[in-house]
Amino acid sequence: QQPVQSPQAVILREGEDAVINCSSSKALYSVHWYRQKHGEAPVFLMILLKGGEQKGHEKISASFNEKKQQSSLYLTASQLSYSGTYFCGTEGQVFGNEKLTFGTGTRLTIIP
Amino acid sequence: EAQVTQNPRYLITVTGKKLTVTCSQNMNHEYMSWYRQDPGLGLRQIYYSMNVEVTDKGDVPEGYKVSRKEKRNFPLILESPSPNQTSLYFCASSFDRVNTEAFFGQGTRLTVV
Repeated sequence: QQPVQSPQAVILREGEDAVINCSSSKALYSVHWYRQKHGEAPVFLMILLKGGEQKGHEKISASFNEKKQQSSLYLTASQLSYSGTYFCGTEGQVFGNEKLTFGTGTRLTIIP
Repeated sequence: EAQVTQNPRYLITVTGKKLTVTCSQNMNHEYMSWYRQDPGLGLRQIYYSMNVEVTDKGDVPEGYKVSRKEKRNFPLILESPSPNQTSLYFCASSFDRVNTEAFFGQGTRLTVV
């Protein structure tokens, strides 16, 4: 079952902040975040493991609340280069059935 | 350079004509998988492989076959393509099946007419 991402799309001006949410109906072991620019392959941003660890990548960070089975991606002071579609990927806790299941994506457009 | 290579990048074919999309990785990764990407549906897993000669179905396996005879290669086979298999396909590999970064190929845009 695919995780649910929100919002589906968002348009921001350069310098504004964005939050993208990812939630699952299953108990999660980890959450991945990827960014895909138009016409390109998805590119890895970060993995968050069970334990509520928050990670950062320049001005992009994320949190993982395993009790709520949710993760959020934070983009601060957004730059034009942040435009693209963001996917979360979740890995469940069922042993022997670990696989990465992606959400439907959030399209982020940054305008000058 | 560490990479996942897919071929071809673009393919137009007719219904029922067997085709193979190749995927090769040079990172000695154990885990490889195929996804299809359709508007509004995100990336959906077709098949995955945990090692040589070990493959399993993903979420949308109908109409596809795979093989893993060598660690580096993981071809996707469409025995009898149909128009509903028109999609953008990505091959991905990772060191292990969980908790590790997935590296994606550049994609294959397939059109079945």
